[in-house]
Amino acid sequence: GENVEQHPSTLSVQEGDSAVIKCTYSDSASNYFPWYKQELGKGPQLIIDIRSNVGEKKDQRIAVTLNKTAKHFSLHITETQPEDSAVYFCAALPREAGNMLTFGGGTRLMVKP
Amino acid sequence: KAGVTQTPRYLIKTRGQQVTLSCSPISGHRSVSWYQQTPGQGLQFLFEYFSETQRNKGNFPGRFSGRQFSNSRSEMNVSTLELGDSALYLCASRTSGSYEQYFGPGTRLTVT
Repeated sequence: GENVEQHPSTLSVQEGDSAVIKCTYSDSASNYFPWYKQELGKGPQLIIDIRSNVGEKKDQRIAVTLNKTAKHFSLHITETQPEDSAVYFCAALPREAGNMLTFGGGTRLMVKP
Repeated sequence: KAGVTQTPRYLIKTRGQQVTLSCSPISGHRSVSWYQQTPGQGLQFLFEYFSETQRNKGNFPGRFSGRQFSNSRSEMNVSTLELGDSALYLCASRTSGSYEQYFGPGTRLTVT
């Protein structure tokens, strides 16, 4: 089955700096890679996703890049703000796996004002 | 549109009891999945339902079961609760033809 590893587990940045979170996956059949943000006491919120036929996707201050050859994808947050502080999860979905997302272990991002 | 709703939000049960959790998907979403979130194991897929049929099941014991109704609402049941079943149970829904899954706030189950 699919295995997703996520690094780092914690990340502390100064407000205004950039943050990068990296994930690797094992199943070359995976074709969908979402990123979720989870705040305390809430469920994961989908913030951006990318499909295997795209190398990069941007949405305002966040971007995701995918390297299919190396089987890794990254989340980039620019101009970080205190409200970006949360736990971020990457996930991978193999083709023909229905809804069965495999998640990384999570990254706790702390943005210091 | 209203988001995914889950009831109850918090639940305390005793070891050996059973529990039923409920999930109402986003209107128009026919696919519902359940995940278990714990500090040790992270987010793990339990099962997926589409049009009242279970399509996929994760690596969990048979004590974990679920069902989906004709209005797409779903329930999951855990029988003979164990201390290790204490977790946040999340429900997610998606529409046909889309990969995007939207999560509810979860039900926090504590087993004592």
